[in-house]
Amino acid sequence: ETGVTQTPRHLVMGMTNKKSLKCEQHLGHNAMYWYKQSAKKPLELMFVYSLEERVENNSVPSRFSPECPNSSHLFLHLHTLQPEDSALYLCASSIGHGTNYGYTFGSGTRLTVV
Amino acid sequence: EDKVVQSPLSLVVHEGDTVTLNCSYEVTNFRSLLWYKQEKKAPTFLFMLTSSGIEKKSGRLSSILDKKELSSILNITATQTGDSAIYLCAVPETSGSRLTFGEGTQLTVNP
Repeated sequence: ETGVTQTPRHLVMGMTNKKSLKCEQHLGHNAMYWYKQSAKKPLELMFVYSLEERVENNSVPSRFSPECPNSSHLFLHLHTLQPEDSALYLCASSIGHGTNYGYTFGSGTRLTVV
Repeated sequence: EDKVVQSPLSLVVHEGDTVTLNCSYEVTNFRSLLWYKQEKKAPTFLFMLTSSGIEKKSGRLSSILDKKELSSILNITATQTGDSAIYLCAVPETSGSRLTFGEGTQLTVNP
């Protein structure tokens, strides 16, 4: 375990469903990130939260909606997804907002949209 | 736009072989380069390189940065089946708030 926990590990959902991905860290980090990893593509940053405030939204469609209620928890709410959204969704955290501190990744949620 | 390119994309070797993975980058304001290993799901941190020519070493893995060539290599000696993974290279973007990742190198070590 890395200290960053993601649930669920696997999720299959229909295009009309609403579901949420959860990320939790108790490392004392105050920045959290959502990344998307598709087959044969680089990791793509989706959202950055620093001290519970969204500081970046990397042109992500509105069917993905992040929420950061406190510095230990991060959610990704999913609504009316498309099959091309099937991917591994990785959460990461860092001590500071900025990559000089290095990231700790969670194990990811493998999402399949049918 | 910042860019990271890794090569090869895929590599199959036998146990005991030595491998060299490459990473080249284009970034406006270079600060560091990071290597991660991704076995099943969670990428795990290997090295952070900031200075050219200084080798970082951890067991059979080592990495070095060449700022002149805008590149880095990751060496693995005496490979084992447990080294099979995707190796990711990343650089922080100029703003500092995100990492730009390469596609990764899928390494398979056969017994």
